[in-house]
Amino acid sequence: AQTVTQSQPEMSVQEAETVTLSCTYDTSESDYYLFWYKQPPSRQMILVIRQEAYKQQNATENRFSVNFQKAAKSFSLKISDSQLGDAAMYFCAYRRATGANSKLTFGKGITLSVRP
Amino acid sequence: KAGVTQTPRYLIKTRGQQVTLSCSPISGHRSVSWYQQTPGQGLQFLFEYFSETQRNKGNFPGRFSGRQFSNSRSEMNVSTLELGDSALYLCASSLRDGGTSTDTQYFGPGTRLTVL
Repeated sequence: AQTVTQSQPEMSVQEAETVTLSCTYDTSESDYYLFWYKQPPSRQMILVIRQEAYKQQNATENRFSVNFQKAAKSFSLKISDSQLGDAAMYFCAYRRATGANSKLTFGKGITLSVRP
Repeated sequence: KAGVTQTPRYLIKTRGQQVTLSCSPISGHRSVSWYQQTPGQGLQFLFEYFSETQRNKGNFPGRFSGRQFSNSRSEMNVSTLELGDSALYLCASSLRDGGTSTDTQYFGPGTRLTVL
């Protein structure tokens, strides 16, 4: 079974600074997808960024980028120029790329606070 | 395009009652997945429906059931409610075109269920 681990329950960053959120996963699959979702106090789960395992290039979305290390099964999220609106819970998630089972497996999440 | 909608947003029930939650996916999306979020267990997959058929099921008791209608709207039902069923129930929709797992799940705002 696939597992996703987010070992840091909380992190804090100064506004305008950069922060990196860690995630590791375990799978025997070679093809899969990884996601970072953001859940603000409103509880709406918002997709931040997605990475296909077959792509060596790290995904980027504006101020958000990932460091995908397939051999190490590591998938960290870097937030540059942090803003107050980035304060939220962040979840790392895994999904198989093949087969009918498309369920997302989530980590426990990390609470990010942004200091003004 | 309108996002995923869930109704009701908040619900209070007593033990032993049953409850039905509703989810309307993004227009054109044919797959609906349900997740339960609790502070203790985190985000757990309940089931997925595609074209009115249950494709996958998580490790939940038979009290949890669901269905999908021809317009892709989905409902989940929990019978004989227990205190431990108190949670945020999230619905996510995706295209699932051609039966592949290559698309992304977009989440609704959730239904907060409290069981007294």
